Amino acid sequence: DAGVTQSPTHLIKTRGQHVTLRCSPISGHKSVSWYQQVLGQGPQFIFQYYEKEERGRGNFPDRFSARQFPNYSSELNVNALLLGDSALYLCASSLPTSYEQYFGPGTRLTVT
Amino acid sequence: AQTVTQSQPEMSVQEAETVTLSCTYDTSESDYYLFWYKQPPSRQMILVIRQEAYKQQNATENRFSVNFQKAAKSFSLKISDSQLGDAAMYFCACTTGYALNFGKGTSLLVTP
Repeated sequence: DAGVTQSPTHLIKTRGQHVTLRCSPISGHKSVSWYQQVLGQGPQFIFQYYEKEERGRGNFPDRFSARQFPNYSSELNVNALLLGDSALYLCASSLPTSYEQYFGPGTRLTVT
Repeated sequence: AQTVTQSQPEMSVQEAETVTLSCTYDTSESDYYLFWYKQPPSRQMILVIRQEAYKQQNATENRFSVNFQKAAKSFSLKISDSQLGDAAMYFCACTTGYALNFGKGTSLLVTP
């Protein structure tokens, strides 16, 4: 079975621009979570979606938003990019009844 | 909210030897789960092992085992018969629901 997939792999944006990152969960997984990993740190929780509803949100500004589609794939959107948004963005999927999360390879976002 | 602390930024082990990575956590919840994730230079987070707080028995997965001390809120990872492929960042994480809370990680170097 395919694992969690994310696109694009790398992305370079300019301050003030908008970005959309995409994630496809493992087949059968209905929950998708997003994390931000700044260099040298552990991942920080941004959102979790289950059945297209936001289940939880971390301490991130409203510039960050996400949505989940009927096929359980997800998009993370970030508006008005700041230099500090440069990070590895990780997507993870899980079964509804499980606490285990399985991660994709991430999208490396660089804001210049 | 939970906090996770990994006090060893870097550790080194010789091939075939055993190494223990430390992790302490703090949570007010009685029901929680603990995980160790491995992040090699390829950056994909890989689930290594998990422990349910309600289980007394320490989890084991092949060469990986944990020492779970619930009263002390300690959750260390022991890697036996270390291999070159074990070299990576190791993150300890805790969850009571949907969000994984990660420590800052320990970089493990494996020398021949």
